[in-house]
Order: sequence, then structure tokens, then C-alpha cells
Amino acid sequence: SAVISQKPSRDICQRGTSLTIQCQVDSQVTMMFWYRQQPGQSLTLIATANQGSEATYESGFVIDKFPISRPNLTFSTLTVSNMSPEDSSIYLCSVGRGQFEKLFFGSGTQLSVL
Amino acid sequence: DQQVKQNSPSLSVQEGRISILNCDYTNSMFDYFLWYKKYPAEGPTFLISISSIKDKNEDGRFTVFLNKSAKHLSLHIVPSQPGDSAVYFCAAFRLTTLGRLYFGRGTQLTVWP
Repeated sequence: SAVISQKPSRDICQRGTSLTIQCQVDSQVTMMFWYRQQPGQSLTLIATANQGSEATYESGFVIDKFPISRPNLTFSTLTVSNMSPEDSSIYLCSVGRGQFEKLFFGSGTQLSVL
Repeated sequence: DQQVKQNSPSLSVQEGRISILNCDYTNSMFDYFLWYKKYPAEGPTFLISISSIKDKNEDGRFTVFLNKSAKHLSLHIVPSQPGDSAVYFCAAFRLTTLGRLYFGRGTQLTVWP
């Protein structure tokens, strides 16, 4: 398994502000992933963060809105920029093990935007 | 476009009985299927997976069955315990797109004494 520490665990933010979410893993990993779960919806991949290169974003997600940093093999951040109430979601980071038949998740960040 | 679907938002089962959670998918190219369990205020916890070349995988009280012709999989929990009460997510991915899991919306399982 993997120990993934994510913070903050929750936050309430004002419209137009930005929030940076941190994800720390207990061992080095090549790929880290950021997911979002909107209320009543399934988890959706936002982007893949590789160390030493720019993140790869999924359709519907852009770097200006969700900038990602990956300064080393154990840490990544996701910023939710210029927030609106539609950004209210749970944001989760995850890492794979082995042949990625298992993906492990952090505890998530519950974001509410007023 | 929901490629993985869990059509039952909730399931209630008595302790000791079998829980059967169902999942359907539309993409025949998926290589792996996974089940996750999620408690409130926690991230999803990996439970069990199955390769698309198999039709059954068992781990203790948990068994996953895959019916490729029907594009259907199910998770059986026997016997069910109150601690199993959680939201269960079905997910799938292709080996060509590592880390990109497609999730269902989850089924809330309640196991009552």
C-alpha cells in the first residue's frame, strides 16, 4: 500500500480566491494523479503529474484553472484558481503501485466555495 | 459519457447475509476492473481487482465476478458485517492509460445487525 498525506482536509473559500492542496507520499513514485468528485458524481481524473515535466490534463480541465506542481518524486500540489461555487468538490491525489492494477488515494480535500 | 455505471445508489443487507453490488460498463477495451470502499471523510480504499482475462477473483470475504459478454461485474461480500457499511465504487481502466480510472457513482451499502 501507500501512505498518502493530503492537506488541508477541508476548507471553505470565497469566490474568486485560490486554494492550493498538498499531497505527500511516503515513498518515491513516478506518477501522481489528481481526481475530483463533485457532489453526487463519480470520481473524475483532472490530471497526471510527472516529476520533471508539465502535468497532462484531461479533457475539460486546463492548466490556468488547475495548475499543478511536482517538484520531486514524493510531493505534488494542485491549485484551484479563481474559484466559483461549481468548484465545490472533493479533491483527491492518488498514486499507483506495481502495474497500476491498484491505485491508492489520499484522504481528500473537501472544498466548499461560497 | 458514463463508461462505468452503478445503477443502484443504495443497498441494505442484514448482517451475515450476502451483499451483491453490481456494475455495468460500456467500453470493451478495459483491461482491469477494481472495487473501492469509501468511508465518510476518507479517501477510497482499494478492495479487490480483476483482470479482463479472468472471470472471478476472490480475496477472503470478497469475490468479484466478471461477465465480459454482458459487460457486467459484481462484488459479493459473504458474510456481510456492519463494518462493511460504506460507499462502494466500481472502477475500470486500460493499461494504455495508466492512472486514468473511470468510476461509477457508487453504491451505499448498509449492513444492519
